[in-house]
Amino acid sequence: NAGVTQTPKFQVLKTGQSMTLQCAQDMNHNSMYWYRQDPGMGLRLIYYSASEGTTDKGEVPNGYNVSRLNKREFSLRLESAAPSQTSVYFCASSVQHSYNEQFFGPGTRLTVL
Amino acid sequence: QKEVEQNSGPLSVPEGAIASLNCTYSDRGSQSFFWYRQYSGKSPELIMFIYSNGDKEDGRFTAQLNKASQYVSLLIRDSQPSDSATYLCAGTSGTYKYIFGTGTRLKVLA
Repeated sequence: NAGVTQTPKFQVLKTGQSMTLQCAQDMNHNSMYWYRQDPGMGLRLIYYSASEGTTDKGEVPNGYNVSRLNKREFSLRLESAAPSQTSVYFCASSVQHSYNEQFFGPGTRLTVL
Repeated sequence: QKEVEQNSGPLSVPEGAIASLNCTYSDRGSQSFFWYRQYSGKSPELIMFIYSNGDKEDGRFTAQLNKASQYVSLLIRDSQPSDSATYLCAGTSGTYKYIFGTGTRLKVLA
């Protein structure tokens, strides 16, 4: 089992460009999450999907959109990237929402120039 | 005030000593707490979780929860240089809220 996979691992964008971060899990988990991690700020929840077919905003959703494509896949889209979105992005999944351990992907390091 | 607070450290302890990592939370409705370890440049991985007041032990790790005082701690006995990492405390409450602290950097000195 690969667990949680993310692509790409690294990405450099120019301001205003768009991109989609991909995430997939093979653990048959119901819930999936997108976080960003910045120095001194810890992990902050961008969006989550409690179950297939639902998505909800987290703490810092502005500038992002998500799609729960199916039970395995949860993508994060930046429509018009800004330097403030330079960060490390982690996707995570859990069996059920909120009260279970979360399993994290390896992360995507994004730089917006 | 952040909902989950941790001292950023670094906390330095000699090899073989007990490392004590602390976390306080502001939401009295928080029910479950998790400790994750994150090595530099890697993703977080779960070490322990605790739901009930008291202590929970797993090998060299002990998690402690005191809901009345709203704090959670993680003790690492016989600390090893390989324990050097950032330790993230997370608490859950309500619907989506899975809130992480900013993490405490631990350095175990050989």
